[in-house]
Amino acid sequence: GAVVSQHPSRVICKSGTSVKIECRSLDFQATTMFWYRQFPKKSLMLMATSNEGSKATYEQGVEKDKFLINHASLTLSTLTVTSAHPEDSSFYICSARVEGDTEAFFGQGTRLTVV
Amino acid sequence: RKEVEQDPGPFNVPEGATVAFNCTYSNSASQSFFWYRQDCRKEPKLLMSVYSSGNEDGRFTAQLNRASQYISLLIRDSKLSDSATYLCVVTGDSGYALNFGKGTSLLVTP
Repeated sequence: GAVVSQHPSRVICKSGTSVKIECRSLDFQATTMFWYRQFPKKSLMLMATSNEGSKATYEQGVEKDKFLINHASLTLSTLTVTSAHPEDSSFYICSARVEGDTEAFFGQGTRLTVV
Repeated sequence: RKEVEQDPGPFNVPEGATVAFNCTYSNSASQSFFWYRQDCRKEPKLLMSVYSSGNEDGRFTAQLNRASQYISLLIRDSKLSDSATYLCVVTGDSGYALNFGKGTSLLVTP
């Protein structure tokens, strides 16, 4: 199957700093990528849909100024958590689909801990 | 009402047992249905798609009942390696973004 690479896999940062997470489709082009967040023992919740060359679409309750998404190329989307707070600590996962295919491929996830 | 609901379990079963998971979804316009497997602290991976006619992949059988908005997964002859969380996944209105259930935890014991 297609490969989606996410980096970093784990990051610890201080409160108030910003963290950038990268999501790359390695062997296919992805015009759309998705960013999810998963708290312990909870389901994956869609945060936003990242569209190449245009603004991301955010789900209700997700602050677009706090979670900055940039999808500058067909193989890279980035999520920046700005002014991170301890409550932002979570598992962030990106996914992408090959055009015309129904299967979604996930990155390895990024475990963010804000101290 | 949540979009996708699953019994969180945990289901503790002995090796060789048959176990069934159920899932209901609220959006009647959903088009695609999947079961994903998620191991602890890992990303979800597709186990199988679910079709109205039902489909089987080795020890795994998935069923979809559109009228009842109900999906099931049956695992026969459970293996220790089947221990994981099984996520019921349904596409949303756009047919593109995925809505996840909380997952059902399975532990297969020797």
